[in-house]
Amino acid sequence: DVVLTQTPPTLSATIGQSVSISCRSSQSLLHSNGNTYLHWLLQRPGQSPQLLIYLVSRLESGVPNRFSGSGSGTDFTLKISGVEAEDLGVYYCVQGTHAPYTFGAGTKLELK
Amino acid sequence: EVQLVETGGGLVQPGRSLKLSCVASGFTFNNYWMSWTRQAPGKGLEWVASITNSGGSTYYPDSVKGRFTISRDNAQNTLYLQMNSLRSEDTATYYCTSGAFAYWGQGTLVTVSS
Repeated sequence: DVVLTQTPPTLSATIGQSVSISCRSSQSLLHSNGNTYLHWLLQRPGQSPQLLIYLVSRLESGVPNRFSGSGSGTDFTLKISGVEAEDLGVYYCVQGTHAPYTFGAGTKLELK
Repeated sequence: EVQLVETGGGLVQPGRSLKLSCVASGFTFNNYWMSWTRQAPGKGLEWVASITNSGGSTYYPDSVKGRFTISRDNAQNTLYLQMNSLRSEDTATYYCTSGAFAYWGQGTLVTVSS
């Protein structure tokens, strides 16, 4: 199975600070059809997860553009350019290129 | 507005069965692959099952293969998860999700305990 390693496990930030989360895959996530099925989710406390970024870098409708995704192959990054209070929670990367779909262990974003 | 509403969770004894349902609205259900994803208390996310938009193909991880069955009724905009031979490690909140995880329900808690 594909293992997604997220770092750091915990991130402390002040409001307005820019932060990045890394997601590294144990194998390439480039599908034979040319797509890379690597997505980013945010789970706020007490809520269901929500999709932020899909296919590495595409911003889901309604998601603020301070969120951005980048990467290719096995290395991916989620960047938040100017953290806001509503961004606190746990961030997960998830891959849909190889069965079974797998999730990273999560990165908890806290206020410093 | 997209809505996914899961029902059917509860307390069940090890070895018993439970069937979850998810009613979808606000999007064209039969255009989407659908999945179930679960989250054990205080833990991360685990994919449980997926089904193609027609229902013709299904996919499972080894942890539930042979015990869980995903199905759908496109006429009723409803997704199901039949869970048999339940184990304590199946205790989790079960989320109904659309393909590529764009849409999520509020989740239904399944507790497997004697």
